[in-house]
Amino acid sequence: EVQLVQSGAEVKKPGESLRISCQGSGYTFSTYWIAWVRQMPGKQLEWMGTVYPANSNSRYSPAFQGHVTISADRSTSTAYLQWTTLKASDTAMYYCARLGVPGALDPTFDFWGQGTLVTVSS
Amino acid sequence: QSALTQPASVSGSPGQSITISCTGTSSDIGGYNYVSWYQQHPGKAPKLMILDVSDRPSGVSNRFSGSKSGNTASLNISGLQTEDEADYYCSSFTSSSAYVLFGGGTKLTVL
Repeated sequence: EVQLVQSGAEVKKPGESLRISCQGSGYTFSTYWIAWVRQMPGKQLEWMGTVYPANSNSRYSPAFQGHVTISADRSTSTAYLQWTTLKASDTAMYYCARLGVPGALDPTFDFWGQGTLVTVSS
Repeated sequence: QSALTQPASVSGSPGQSITISCTGTSSDIGGYNYVSWYQQHPGKAPKLMILDVSDRPSGVSNRFSGSKSGNTASLNISGLQTEDEADYYCSSFTSSSAYVLFGGGTKLTVL
């Protein structure tokens, strides 16, 4: 059974750094791209970026480029989403999701993590 | 890049059919057959319901179907059930650097 299990909720202050994780199981983790998707409170889904665990190749939405870093460690089947300087506007639920075709940037997210709620408040 | 356009809400009675539209441009929906639909219940992660415009993943009820005409994609749900009440999001590949666009979401109420 394919599963993506994300790390727990975080409460941070503006200016702090943070890394959240997404561990995959039930499939060959390194051969499927993993995406991160943001959902601000009561708002729509937004694709942030994608990483290919086999070679750590990454691609970012222009809206998030330079503000977050997406990476993966294939030895632990884990993908990461990282901020160096959080803002209050980063408060949101963050989901990881698997792209549906091995090795391809197929724009279909077939399995999702349970979400990680990040709250940034002074 | 603007999101794809969906109606904010739709409603229907149990047993009825409803359609949710998703309008984009020739750079996304109109140009590619990479339209997906996701169901999201409150407090839950999205679930893939339709991919590649009209394909259903294994395990998704055949009451859910998808189609596309020009720059507009549609999700049809027949034989509405109370458990269908959820938010529905469309998505599409886009030739812009944004890669994937999502719709604003549609809240389905089963009366």
